[in-house]
Amino acid sequence: AQSVAQPEDQVNVAEGNPLTVKCTYSVSGNPYLFWYVQYPNRGLQFLLKYITGDNLVKGSYGFEAEFNKSQTSFHLKKPSALVSDSALYFCAVRDNRGNNRLAFGKGNQVVVIP
Amino acid sequence: EPEVTQTPSHQVTQMGQEVILRCVPISNHLYFYWYRQILGQKVEFLVSFYNNEISEKSEIFDDQFSVERPDGSNFTLKIRSTKLEDSAMYFCASSLGRDFPEAFFGQGTRLTVV
Repeated sequence: AQSVAQPEDQVNVAEGNPLTVKCTYSVSGNPYLFWYVQYPNRGLQFLLKYITGDNLVKGSYGFEAEFNKSQTSFHLKKPSALVSDSALYFCAVRDNRGNNRLAFGKGNQVVVIP
Repeated sequence: EPEVTQTPSHQVTQMGQEVILRCVPISNHLYFYWYRQILGQKVEFLVSFYNNEISEKSEIFDDQFSVERPDGSNFTLKIRSTKLEDSAMYFCASSLGRDFPEAFFGQGTRLTVV
């Protein structure tokens, strides 16, 4: 069964500083990996994905993530955080064998301090 | 920009009553999903639907639950006899297909069973 671990509950970062949100995964076969963001009273908004190819993937709003197969990680990064990046971030994984279900991590609250 | 829409945004129902949660997926998408998030817990997969039938379901999706695509646009989740523990945020999602596996989520329906 696939699973995701997001080890930190909350990530605090000063505005303008680099932001990293950690994610490790477990899946049979090759993973499809995703990051979603949730603002208050809103649904899950797709940020980026890794399917195959370059390990560094770029997504919306200046976010990127790096796939590391040996460490089974897919950390989300942003070089310079904005106050508006404060939200709940979810990492998700599924396998590439036709199993469509996503397994989500518990989410990380990101707080960007002005 | 196309989006998944869900109605109602909030539903309160008495224990034992039937509820129907409604969703309009993105129009050219082929795969449809329901997920739920109990307060303070992870987002959990319930069911996926493709080609007018259930393609996968989780252990949560028992006989109490059913899904239907009654016409070309709507996708519904029915809970036959609600229990207190069904109180959660229910998210509908859709995805385009195999080469574009990222799911796009609606804003959710908050179901409160009293």
